[in-house]
Amino acid sequence: GENVEQHPSTLSVQEGDSAVIKCTYSDSASNYFPWYKQELGKRPQLIIDIRSNVGEKKDQRIAVTLNKTAKHFSLHITETQPEDSAVYFCAASRRTLTFGKGTMLLVSP
Amino acid sequence: DAGVTQSPTHLIKTRGQQVTLRCSPKSGHDTVSWYQQALGQGPQFIFQYYEEEERQRGNFPDRFSGHQFPNYSSELNVNALLLGDSALYLCASSLGQGARNQPQHFGDGTRLSIL
Repeated sequence: GENVEQHPSTLSVQEGDSAVIKCTYSDSASNYFPWYKQELGKRPQLIIDIRSNVGEKKDQRIAVTLNKTAKHFSLHITETQPEDSAVYFCAASRRTLTFGKGTMLLVSP
Repeated sequence: DAGVTQSPTHLIKTRGQQVTLRCSPKSGHDTVSWYQQALGQGPQFIFQYYEEEERQRGNFPDRFSGHQFPNYSSELNVNALLLGDSALYLCASSLGQGARNQPQHFGDGTRLSIL
């Protein structure tokens, strides 16, 4: 089955810096890659997703890139703010979502 | 517009007991997926229901079963509870299982603790 590796497990940045989270997947047939943000004690929230026919997608301060050949995709957050602090999960799907183990992002004022 | 709702929010059971968790999907959604999230881990797919049938299943034993009702709401049942079943159980809904890989929206989850 699909296996998703996510790095780093923790990431600390200063407010205003950029943050990058990287994921690799194993199933070359996966064609959908969402990213979720989960604040402590709250539900995972879909923040952006990308399909395999697209190489990059941007939504305000967040962007996702996909390299199908290398089977990796990344989340980029620019101009980070303290409210961006949360656990971020990547996922890959051919038919069902397989999640990475998460990255705890801490943005210090 | 009601989002995904789950009940109960918290539940404490003892080993060997049985539990039923409930989920109402987001308005307009017809597909429900269930996930188990252990502490410090990503959600792990249990199964997915569409048109009242289990369509996809993850690597979980038969102790885990489910049901979907005509109004698209769903239940997750776990029999013979083990200590390792302690986790946050998340329900996610989406539209159109036939058109795969539609965005999934999660509920707040049920925190299940096994003593």
